[in-house]
Amino acid sequence: GAVVSQHPSWVICKSGTSVKIECRSLDFQATTMFWYRQFPKQSLMLMATSNEGSKATYEQGVEKDKFLINHASLTLSTLTVTSAHPEDSSFYICSAYSDTDTQYFGPGTRLTVL
Amino acid sequence: SQQGEEDPQALSIQEGENATMNCSYKTSINNLQWYRQNSGRGLVHLILIRSNEREKHSGRLRVTLDTSKKSSSLLITASRAADTASYFCATVGTGANSKLTFGKGITLSVRP
Repeated sequence: GAVVSQHPSWVICKSGTSVKIECRSLDFQATTMFWYRQFPKQSLMLMATSNEGSKATYEQGVEKDKFLINHASLTLSTLTVTSAHPEDSSFYICSAYSDTDTQYFGPGTRLTVL
Repeated sequence: SQQGEEDPQALSIQEGENATMNCSYKTSINNLQWYRQNSGRGLVHLILIRSNEREKHSGRLRVTLDTSKKSSSLLITASRAADTASYFCATVGTGANSKLTFGKGITLSVRP
């Protein structure tokens, strides 16, 4: 149990386009999901906390107009990278809470912006 | 900002040996968790230890927590080549939110 999926697993796009990444909790309901970004050989940096039915809470330094988060249901949160640029190329990982203190992580989405 | 600081940053051992990784943190915590990440993949939750606990075991894993020193250690006994991965400690603070703050990670290589 407690499986989190992400789609797509990798995406290549042109500079200036927008990319949507989906995060789904497959076998549990998640009122809270988190989005992280990880650059090569670095740790995970929390970008935002996504709460079902309300606005996301962004970490300091993360542009909310650039990284749009929607948590429309208890099993789905989406991250849209708008007007992507090469510096947005990274590994994006989501996580979701089950009814315990444990966060379950998705497999990640590798974004490459050309 | 990152809370945890793991050491060593990289560890290379022979299969069958034990691997010990340490993590220090700066502020009060509700719990501390260890995760494993294989290259280019998502994170796998290994173990959670609460602030009122001192030691926990899970299979070949042993985690200790010393809140007075704000440090934790992860011991992997009888290591296997499949244990090769990056290991992260992450803390949850005492506030209302449940955000995880990750350390920089330790790269473990287990030579067959």
